[in-house]
Amino acid sequence: DTEVTQTPKHLVMGMTNKKSLKCEQHMGHRAMYWYKQKAKKPPELMFVYSYEKLSINESVPSRFSPECPNSSLLNLHLHALQPEDSALYLCASSQDYSNEQFFGPGTRLTVL
Amino acid sequence: TQLLEQSPQFLSIQEGENLTVYCNSSSVFSSLQWYRQEPGEGPVLLVTVVTGGEVKKLKRLTFQFGDARKDSSLHITAAQPGDTGLYLCAGVASVTGGFKTIFGAGTRLFVKA
Repeated sequence: DTEVTQTPKHLVMGMTNKKSLKCEQHMGHRAMYWYKQKAKKPPELMFVYSYEKLSINESVPSRFSPECPNSSLLNLHLHALQPEDSALYLCASSQDYSNEQFFGPGTRLTVL
Repeated sequence: TQLLEQSPQFLSIQEGENLTVYCNSSSVFSSLQWYRQEPGEGPVLLVTVVTGGEVKKLKRLTFQFGDARKDSSLHITAAQPGDTGLYLCAGVASVTGGFKTIFGAGTRLFVKA
């Protein structure tokens, strides 16, 4: 298995909702990432997990809460988001964080 | 602050033309990746270059890593409409405590039939 999967593909939520994005990889990669990408912009790093521990938080607001239940799974819990949080959320993984990253297909999030 | 400057930002060409995309930085990278992204999808890894001066070919795409590992180029020969997409370069740089991947701003390529 050489891919990163993400669910759901699309998500529409209200500002008072709680939802979660899920990411999975079975390549034995020990680093996993969350990125946010707005239209016509490059991906913007949010969080990095290395060996299931949070190693980088790029000053992301607390309404985004990452979780790494095991080495294959990465979640992003969403609560009280704002319309400006609407974006494509990308998960990626790499063998460790000095190696090339492989991206999932993304979750298109719309906050109403 | 480490930056990776990518140019051009936008390119619209006719099918059959050649093009080159550049990524430049003042930082040294341990490796550099090129990705292609279609709208609404995740970036797909095209190539990783590691050694200064390295050249890699992927069909009509030629990737080069600068001798000093601070810059890279992507050359497409005889572009086709299927090459349309966003091309991103990403450099892995050593920082205090580990490594960080830095993305260029992207080159949006449109190839007209």
